[in-house]
Amino acid sequence: QKEVEQNSGPLSVPEGAIASLNCTYSDRGSQSFFWYRQYSGKSPELIMSIYSNGDKEDGRFTAQLNKASQYVSLLIRDSQPSDSATYLCAVGGAAGNKLTFGGGTRVLVKP
Amino acid sequence: DGGITQSPKYLFRKEGQNVTLSCEQNLNHDAMYWYRQDPGQGLRLIYYSQIVNDFQKGDIAEGYSVSREKKESFPLTVTSAQKNPTAFYLCASSIATASYGYTFGSGTRLTVV
Repeated sequence: QKEVEQNSGPLSVPEGAIASLNCTYSDRGSQSFFWYRQYSGKSPELIMSIYSNGDKEDGRFTAQLNKASQYVSLLIRDSQPSDSATYLCAVGGAAGNKLTFGGGTRVLVKP
Repeated sequence: DGGITQSPKYLFRKEGQNVTLSCEQNLNHDAMYWYRQDPGQGLRLIYYSQIVNDFQKGDIAEGYSVSREKKESFPLTVTSAQKNPTAFYLCASSIATASYGYTFGSGTRLTVV
């Protein structure tokens, strides 16, 4: 079992719709959770971080964390073609010394 | 502007050759990391360092070596023992621990010729 799992996609959504991405993790002691966006051929950029159960909103992005169920999700509202990218889920363990990444979900927003 | 600089952007390695990838940061971050990304895959940790003159192996350290002589610099050497080095290499740093998240460099694409 991988430590951090994501559906590889592609997740195809029409422009203006909500894209919903999910991530599950195996380490119950995990303390920090991140979503990175990566365009093809580029390096990842941080778009959201979340540390406690519940929702966290930043613009069109909402991160949701449920530690009991060991999942973290990302919602992208009013999806735009510029949101087409791969989204990486990253989880920090109890020691906080490194992040473990999922394989990424590719999102395609169609005009 | 503060950031992480990786060089070169593209690197070609011949069979049996060692090559070194550069990573420099001026963010005054304590921790630095090296990851490898293969096509269509996530990131896998090679080495990381939380303080100068100390570093730890990640999940795929075999065939790689690092040094951390200065806080700002964390070079990665891909040795001839790494049999499949063709990949996208990403250097990252964090303020103190990974709990604050990473800032990434722009990456080095290494190809074996």
